Amino acid sequence: GENVEQHPSTLSVQEGDSAVIKCTYSDSASNYFPWYKQELGKGPQLIIDIRSNVGEKKDQRIAVTLNKTAKHFSLHITETQPEDSAVYFCAAQRSGYSTLTFGKGTMLLVSP
Amino acid sequence: EPEVTQTPSHQVTQMGQEVILRCVPISNHLYFYWYRQILGQKVEFLVSFYNNEISEKSEIFDDQFSVERPDGSNFTLKIRSTKLEDSAMYFCASSEGQAWDGYTFGSGTRLTVV
Repeated sequence: GENVEQHPSTLSVQEGDSAVIKCTYSDSASNYFPWYKQELGKGPQLIIDIRSNVGEKKDQRIAVTLNKTAKHFSLHITETQPEDSAVYFCAAQRSGYSTLTFGKGTMLLVSP
Repeated sequence: EPEVTQTPSHQVTQMGQEVILRCVPISNHLYFYWYRQILGQKVEFLVSFYNNEISEKSEIFDDQFSVERPDGSNFTLKIRSTKLEDSAMYFCASSEGQAWDGYTFGSGTRLTVV
């Protein structure tokens, strides 16, 4: 089955800096890659996603890049703010399946 | 904005007891899911449900687990005889179609087995 690896496990940045979180996946049949933000005591919330037919997608301060050949995708957050502090999960979905395989998560801490 | 609602938010149960976790998916969604997250670990898939039957399940979803859609709005996860290792946060999710159609998670039920 699919296996998703995520790095780093924790990331501390100063407010205003950029943050990058990286994930790799194993199944070349995966074609959908969402990113979720989980705040304390809440469920994961979708923040951005990308399908395998594009290489990059941007939404204001958040962007995701996908390299299908290398089987990795990354989340980029620019101009970080304290409210960006949360656990971020990447995930992958195999073509033909409706379920998601998650990475282990990255705890992002943004210091004022 | 439509939400997935889960009850209770926290449940404590004795080992060996049965528990039922409840979820109300978004009304026009057709796919329903249960995931769990053991403290500090990744979110793991348990089961997906479509058209009143299980469409996929993981190795974790063994005979002690079952799911049901008892009426038009609720979606439940039953654990027949709880074990200590079942302690986790259980998330319900729903989607209109495949995951890329919009996958919404509830806030979770924290299950503690003592």
